[in-house]
Order: sequence, then structure tokens, then C-alpha cells
Amino acid sequence: EAGVTQSPTHLIKTRGQQVTLRCSPISGHTSVYWYQQALGLGLQFLLWYDEGEERNRGNFPPRFSGRQFPNYSSELNVNALELEDSALYLCASSRPGTNTGELYFGEGSRLTVL
Amino acid sequence: DAKTTQPPSMDCAEGRAANLPCNHSTISGNEYVYWYRQIHSQGPQYIIHGLKNNETNEMASLIITEDRKSSTLILAHATLRDTAVYYCIVSSRDNNDMRFGAGTRLTVKP
Repeated sequence: EAGVTQSPTHLIKTRGQQVTLRCSPISGHTSVYWYQQALGLGLQFLLWYDEGEERNRGNFPPRFSGRQFPNYSSELNVNALELEDSALYLCASSRPGTNTGELYFGEGSRLTVL
Repeated sequence: DAKTTQPPSMDCAEGRAANLPCNHSTISGNEYVYWYRQIHSQGPQYIIHGLKNNETNEMASLIITEDRKSSTLILAHATLRDTAVYYCIVSSRDNNDMRFGAGTRLTVKP
């Protein structure tokens, strides 16, 4: 069974630019979560999508947004990039039903903002 | 804000049991306790979860106190590959508020 896949794995942007990160969940999983992990810091919860709807959102400005598609894949968009947006962006997915807290993570997209 | 408190770091000798504590004194009745670990530069890995009963799987055991205000993750025979940051999370299945705290950095030493 293929795991959670994220693309791109690495990218470099400059301040003010926009970036789109992509995530494909494990087959059969309907929930997708996004986290930000700055260098040396913990995981900060960004967004939770389930069945195409945004269910929960962390303490991030509106320039962080996303969506989930009918096939349950997801995109994270970050507008007007700032230097402090440099981080590893992790996506996770979970099954529908009772074990929704059992998350399976991808390897992340490492964003560097110059 | 994370709802859990964990020691920032712990050491364990290879082959010995590693006991990682977590305090969650404000846990609600419908909130589960989840444990994850993150090995350097990799995505976090789910370990185990529980509501009020003790749980065991192939990776670890989870002991939850009767008042549910704290729990302990036990790695029965730690190996060098268990060196990682371990995260304890409490969350209900209603809001799936899976917020990670700072975790405990476990170092398994030869």
C-alpha cells in the first residue's frame, strides 16, 4: 500500500511569492491534515480537511489556505511568502470512522524562503 | 496550545525499558491519548492510542492512570533505532484537534 505522498520534496522561493504544496493520502483515507515544522521546532497544526470540507484550522494567518479535492488529495497554498515561512510542511491522512486520530504522515515538503 | 506536559529529554540504555511520561490533567471524558514519534528529518509515526484502558501493540504499551490525568508510554526493550522525539497528544474524535507539543527527546545509548 502506497503511503502519503507529497510534492515537491524541496523548493526555494523568494519573499512575496506564492507556493502550492500537494498531498496524496493513502488510498481509502478521507481526512488530510497539514502541519508546519520550522527548523528545530515542533509541529504546528495548520489545517484539517475531511470529505472535502475544512474542519479545523490552526493559528495561522489567512494567507495560509488549502483545499481538498473529490479524490481526497489536498493542496496547501501560501501567499505573500515571508522568511519565517521557511519550514518542513507535513501532510498526514487518516481513515474515515472511529480511528480518526491515527495519522499517517508523508515525508514533507521543505520550503526555503529567501 | 498543547494540552500535555512531557519532560524535554530522557536517556535510556539499549535493551532496557524506556518509560516516557505524559501529564494531561485537563483531559476530557471523550478525549483519547495518542502517542507519536519523529525520527530525525522524517514524518511522525503513529505508535499507539487509548481512552482509559491500558493498550499494547507490537511497538509499545500505553498505561493510563485511573483518573486519566497522566499516562506512560513503555518501550519494553529499547534499541538504538528508538532514538526519536516522542509526542503525547490528547484529542477528541469530534474536533480531531491533533496538536503536537514539544515532546520528549529520547536518546537510547549503547
